[in-house]
Amino acid sequence: QKEVEQDPGPLSVPEGAIVSLNCTYSNSAFQYFMWYRQYSRKGPELLMYTYSSGNKEDGRFTAQVDKSSKYISLFIRDSQPSDSATYLCAMSYNNAGNMLTFGGGTRLMVKP
Amino acid sequence: DGGITQSPKYLFRKEGQNVTLSCEQNLNHDAMYWYRQDPGQGLRLIYYSQIVNDFQKGDIAEGYSVSREKKESFPLTVTSAQKNPTAFYLCASIREAGRQDTQYFGPGTRLTVL
Repeated sequence: QKEVEQDPGPLSVPEGAIVSLNCTYSNSAFQYFMWYRQYSRKGPELLMYTYSSGNKEDGRFTAQVDKSSKYISLFIRDSQPSDSATYLCAMSYNNAGNMLTFGGGTRLMVKP
Repeated sequence: DGGITQSPKYLFRKEGQNVTLSCEQNLNHDAMYWYRQDPGQGLRLIYYSQIVNDFQKGDIAEGYSVSREKKESFPLTVTSAQKNPTAFYLCASIREAGRQDTQYFGPGTRLTVL
């Protein structure tokens, strides 16, 4: 069993929809949680970074962490075709930088 | 502009050859990382370096080697001992290992073995 599980998709939604992307993990020691967006043939770019449980909002993006359920989510409101990409969750134990453990990524397609 | 550059963007290798992938950063970051990404899989850590002249193996170091002679450079050599080297290779860096910061990635190098 992988430490971090993520549905690979693809997830196809119409423009304007609310998108929910999720990861589950098995190790309760994870404290820092990140979401990266990766366009095809490009390097990942950091979208959201949260510590411990709770919500964090940035524009159309909301990251949610539920440590009791070992479950994290990324919500995208008013999705746009430019949001079409692969979304990777990542997490680490004692700080946000070292030794990240990644999910396999979910491919999202937003159709005009 | 500050950032991480990787070269080449595409690389082709014959079986039995060693190849070296370049990673350079002008962000003055202390720590640098190499990952491998295969289709449908997450990033897997190959090697990392927290300071100059020091580096550590990651989860899948076999068949790879690195050096860190300068702060801004962290080249990765894929040796002939790596049995399945075709993949997308990503370099990342962080300002200071151990602090509450996160990793920033380069654009990647796609390596194909012919």
